[in-house]
Amino acid sequence: EPEVTQTPSHQVTQMGQEVILRCVPISNHLYFYWYRQILGQKVEFLVSFYNNEISEKSEIFDDQFSVERPDGSNFTLKIRSTKLEDSAMYFCASSRQVYEQYFGPGTRLTVT
Amino acid sequence: KNEVEQSPQNLTAQEGEFITINCSYSVGISALHWLQQHPGGGIVSLFMLSSGKKKHGRLIATINIQEKHSSLHITASHPRDSAVYICAVRTGGAQKLVFGQGTRLTINP
Repeated sequence: EPEVTQTPSHQVTQMGQEVILRCVPISNHLYFYWYRQILGQKVEFLVSFYNNEISEKSEIFDDQFSVERPDGSNFTLKIRSTKLEDSAMYFCASSRQVYEQYFGPGTRLTVT
Repeated sequence: KNEVEQSPQNLTAQEGEFITINCSYSVGISALHWLQQHPGGGIVSLFMLSSGKKKHGRLIATINIQEKHSSLHITASHPRDSAVYICAVRTGGAQKLVFGQGTRLTINP
């Protein structure tokens, strides 16, 4: 069964460094999403992406964040200058239409 | 006020018991999702509902649009059902999901 994959599973970085989180959505899906979950808190929406552009974003998704689909298969989330409060689990999801979303296993980002 | 509220926050039961987890929401929705999150953190989609009832194995999900309420039931619960169960809603034409805080379910043998 096709699945969403994410790499790395765990990323440790120093404050101020740039990180890129990678996702490979399910191949015939058209909508892509990033969510995050700070430890002990609920999952929060960051951004959705369709037709090679951002279709929706939350207040959390400020200028420090960007998304890209560089090669038709990967979907990346970049954080330009990480802060301690960016430490969280980041989930990628994809869907063929605006229906059921399939989630990846997550990347745990630790900012020290 | 949270748009999506779940109850209870924590639930411990014995193997074999019938489990009910509730979700109330305060906004108009186009769909409601039930998701399962295991201790490792991964999220699995269980159901997507816009009306009525769905069943998959021992899991049943219902939704009452007028009352803005949904329930997830587990029949003949098993220790492997132990996980966090999350309700999430999609509002109007939005693509994003708005999540509840989750219900931590523990089934003891």
